[in-house]
Amino acid sequence: SQQGEEDPQALSIQEGENATMNCSYKTSINNLQWYRQNSGRGLVHLILIRSNEREKHSGRLRVTLDTSKKSSSLLITASRAADTASYFCATDRTRSGTYKYIFGTGTRLKVLA
Amino acid sequence: DAGVIQSPRHEVTEMGQEVTLRCKPISGHDYLFWYRQTMMRGLELLIYFNNNVPIDDSGMPEDRFSAKMPNASFSTLKIQPSEPRDSAVYFCASSLAPGIGEKLFFGSGTQLSVL
Repeated sequence: SQQGEEDPQALSIQEGENATMNCSYKTSINNLQWYRQNSGRGLVHLILIRSNEREKHSGRLRVTLDTSKKSSSLLITASRAADTASYFCATDRTRSGTYKYIFGTGTRLKVLA
Repeated sequence: DAGVIQSPRHEVTEMGQEVTLRCKPISGHDYLFWYRQTMMRGLELLIYFNNNVPIDDSGMPEDRFSAKMPNASFSTLKIQPSEPRDSAVYFCASSLAPGIGEKLFFGSGTQLSVL
């Protein structure tokens, strides 16, 4: 089953506005990552936040993590048309020393010029 | 480095045929993952390898699917026989050490259509 669930499923905003996407997960994690996927392409890593971190910034990206609520949010500030893509959160799940990343269902972001 | 390389980019086949998808991970990456993406189910982890050894194949849908990694630079995902419901985009990804938060590098995917 999917570990992460993104919300909303789709988001449409005007260029220059901020976009916020949320991710909820079910089990304890070591870290959470956000990826972007442009149409017809593979996923590209954006940012990672560890379980002992609450907030992280990278350029126009801001990620928060609330382990008590098992949720994370990705904020893209001053959005651009080029930010149009699907965004996925990925959580690691370790069991007996094995590692694997489980991806959520994604948020489709459309930024209108 | 050229990144993760997958082939073919597109594959169209008829039901019942054997399909082989190929992946070349980034040199030096110890972990290799196979994912399947569909609109209905999103991104599903099928199997992953560590140092060429399959670690977790619990996501492989059924016995028709098999994956191998004969060496550190090559992996295959085989479907035999293929069925229309196998139509999806199949991604390969590699990583250094996901357990300490290393990111995954994805290939461009193979778009599989089974008629």
